[in-house]
Amino acid sequence: EPEVTQTPSHQVTQMGQEVILRCVPISNHLYFYWYRQILGQKVEFLVSFYNNEISEKSEIFDDQFSVERPDGSNFTLKIRSTKLEDSAMYFCASEASAKNIQYFGAGTRLSVL
Amino acid sequence: QKEVEQNSGPLSVPEGAIASLNCTYSDRGSQSFFWYRQYSGKSPELIMFIYSNGDKEDGRFTAQLNKASQYVSLLIRDSQPSDSATYLCAVNGYNYGQNFVFGPGTRLSVLP
Repeated sequence: EPEVTQTPSHQVTQMGQEVILRCVPISNHLYFYWYRQILGQKVEFLVSFYNNEISEKSEIFDDQFSVERPDGSNFTLKIRSTKLEDSAMYFCASEASAKNIQYFGAGTRLSVL
Repeated sequence: QKEVEQNSGPLSVPEGAIASLNCTYSDRGSQSFFWYRQYSGKSPELIMFIYSNGDKEDGRFTAQLNKASQYVSLLIRDSQPSDSATYLCAVNGYNYGQNFVFGPGTRLSVLP
């Protein structure tokens, strides 16, 4: 069964460093999302991406964040200068056209020290 | 501000019983409703989705939607210890490509 793949599973970084979280959405899906979940809190929307551009972003997704689809398969989330409060699970999700159902990857646990 | 509310629990039920999980949402324009299961430290896993008022059954799971009351529920029949997890209610609009708004989740514990 097709699945959304995320790498790495766990990323440890120092405050102020840049990190790139990678996702390979399900092939033939057209809509892509990043969500985050701080430990013990709810899943929060960060950004959606369609047709090679951002469709919508939340207030969490400030200038420190960016997304890119550098090739036909990868979808990346970059945090330019990490802060302690960026520590969370980051989930990538993808959605097929005309289905309105989002499938989530296993997540990347980001730990900012 | 779109809000989705759930009882945080924990909700404890004995094995074999029916577990009832509830969710309310604030945006009357919401059209699509999803239940995800999340085990500790894992990603959300889709259980069911429902778009129309009424009941939708899939195996041991039944989703119920009442748009007039802005209420959606999930019933789990014959609960098993493996059902012990946090259940997330997610809501979005009718069109594709819209982000989900998640509730905080209800932690379910099924006691053997």
